[in-house]
Amino acid sequence: KAGVTQTPRYLIKTRGQQVTLSCSPISGHRSVSWYQQTPGQGLQFLFEYFSETQRNKGNFPGRFSGRQFSNSRSEMNVSTLELGDSALYLCASSGGQGGTDTQYFGPGTRLTVL
Amino acid sequence: QQQVKQSPQSLIVQKGGISIINCAYENTAFDYFPWYQQFPGKGPALLIAIRPDVSEKKEGRFTISFNKSAKQFSLHIMDSQPGDSATYFCAASRGNAGGTSYGKLTFGQGTILTVHP
Repeated sequence: KAGVTQTPRYLIKTRGQQVTLSCSPISGHRSVSWYQQTPGQGLQFLFEYFSETQRNKGNFPGRFSGRQFSNSRSEMNVSTLELGDSALYLCASSGGQGGTDTQYFGPGTRLTVL
Repeated sequence: QQQVKQSPQSLIVQKGGISIINCAYENTAFDYFPWYQQFPGKGPALLIAIRPDVSEKKEGRFTISFNKSAKQFSLHIMDSQPGDSATYFCAASRGNAGGTSYGKLTFGQGTILTVHP
């Protein structure tokens, strides 16, 4: 099976812009979680989607949003970018049911905000 | 109450030595404790995981020890190799009544492991 794929791998944006990141989960996986990774804060949970519904949400401002499509692919959007949004954004997929707990991570999207 | 504290921040061991990384959690509702390994430029990859109904789990050179009463768990890497040099993260999550994770992992801050040849 192909792994979790994320596009684009690298992005450079300026403050105030918005950005959309994409994640394609492992085939058959219905749960997609998003994390932000920074040197200072480490890995922080953003939100999780399962069957097109947000099932869990972390402590991030409303500028961070996401959605999931019927094919389980997910996107996250960050509006009005700030310098502090520079980070590696990781997507992880899992079965989401039937006792499958392992989350498989993609390689991430490196976002730089100038 | 969602914190997971990990130590040490960095660790240097010689080839063939034992690497030990410790984590402590606060939320007693956590019931799934995975360890992830991350190499530069890559996403984290699951190494080994444990549930609180067992005190130890071993897979090859990697062992998780779990102390439920102390709310602590640790990763032991036996016969450490230069190829083990990476960042290691402990994590914890809370499942629903059916035992399935809701997909929210709370991570420790990470340990940068360097194994000298």
